[in-house]
Amino acid sequence: LAKTTQPISMDSYEGQEVNITCSHNNIATNDYITWYQQFPSQGPRFIIQGYKTKVTNEVASLFIPADRKSSTLSLPRVSLSDTAVYYCLVGDTYGGSQGNLIFGKGTKLSVKP
Amino acid sequence: NAGVTQTPKFQVLKTGQSMTLQCAQDMNHNSMYWYRQDPGMGLRLIYYSASEGTTDKGEVPNGYNVSRLNKREFSLRLESAAPSQTSVYFCASSDGSGRSYGYTFGSGTRLTVV
Repeated sequence: LAKTTQPISMDSYEGQEVNITCSHNNIATNDYITWYQQFPSQGPRFIIQGYKTKVTNEVASLFIPADRKSSTLSLPRVSLSDTAVYYCLVGDTYGGSQGNLIFGKGTKLSVKP
Repeated sequence: NAGVTQTPKFQVLKTGQSMTLQCAQDMNHNSMYWYRQDPGMGLRLIYYSASEGTTDKGEVPNGYNVSRLNKREFSLRLESAAPSQTSVYFCASSDGSGRSYGYTFGSGTRLTVV
């Protein structure tokens, strides 16, 4: 199972762009990269998922280089409400591999006014 | 709203007591999961059910049992609670057939064992 490494914490100010990078050197061919957001006292919430290149949705962008050994979650113009823990996960949720997603400690993002 | 519902939201148990945490999803998902989260830690998988009628152990299954009652419901049972099981428990579900939608989590059950 591919392990991930991401910074323990990051600080930012309102209106800035935040980039959180995750390393996953042992990613397998079938693995996808998924990011979750968790607010205090809530369950994690799916943000974005990708396999290669760039994925964008209404919340964030995900950049994945050709070698797929890392990925970067980009949050444009953060606000105070983006203060949360962000988890990077790598795994294959297809077929019989369900349940093999491993949550690390995540990156605690603190957005200041 | 569609989603994953967990009950109860809070529970205090005495050591040795038993209880069942309930989880139901209304998204017609095939797969369901139970995680625990300790302070300052990520989530650790306890058990999962890839489809109705099947269950498998995750990373930390000791002290727990599960039942996939039907496609909607997946319960977690503590037969003899211990202080080490004090944690926040999250139930999740996924469609299990593809990668596009990730997991949907419930809001958690905060369990304290004294």
